[in-house]
Amino acid sequence: QKEVEQDPGPLSVPEGAIVSLNCTYSNSAFQYFMWYRQYSRKGPELLMYTYSSGNKEDGRFTAQVDKSSKYISLFIRDSQPSDSATYLCAMGYSSASKIIFGSGTRLSIRP
Amino acid sequence: DADVTQTPRNRITKTGKRIMLECSQTKGHDRMYWYRQDPGLGLQLIYYSFDVKDINKGEISDGYSVSRQAQAKFSLSLESAIPNQTALYFCATSVGANTGELFFGEGSRLTVL
Repeated sequence: QKEVEQDPGPLSVPEGAIVSLNCTYSNSAFQYFMWYRQYSRKGPELLMYTYSSGNKEDGRFTAQVDKSSKYISLFIRDSQPSDSATYLCAMGYSSASKIIFGSGTRLSIRP
Repeated sequence: DADVTQTPRNRITKTGKRIMLECSQTKGHDRMYWYRQDPGLGLQLIYYSFDVKDINKGEISDGYSVSRQAQAKFSLSLESAIPNQTALYFCATSVGANTGELFFGEGSRLTVL
């Protein structure tokens, strides 16, 4: 069993829709949780970072962590075509030497 | 100019050849990493280095070696390339402990025939 599971998609939604992306994990030792966004032919870039259970909001993006269920989510409100990308969840321990990535979900926003 | 620069961006080679992928950074970060990305598998850590004198194996180091020539330079070598090393390779840097923020280069696409 992988430490981090993520549905690879692809996921296609119309512009303006609310998007929900999810990951589950098995290791309760993970302490911080991230979402990276990767555009085609580019390296991933950090989108959201959380260190505890609960919600964190940044503009149209909300990251949610439920440690009791070992489940994290990324919500995108008022989705735009420019949000079309692959979204990777990632989780880490106290040292940045061990960051585990999900396989990524490919998202397409239809105009 | 990119903060994390990888060369070459694309490379096609043959089985058995030695290949070096180079990474340089202008962010001033001590920590550098090499990841491999395959479809459906996400990013897998090959090697990482916390400073010039520190080299550590990641999840999938077999068949690879690295060299940290300076704080700003970290190269990945495939001593004898094989077809299942065909992948997209990313170099990344980070500030230090207790942070998950990695800064990635734009990737080096390697094809081994």
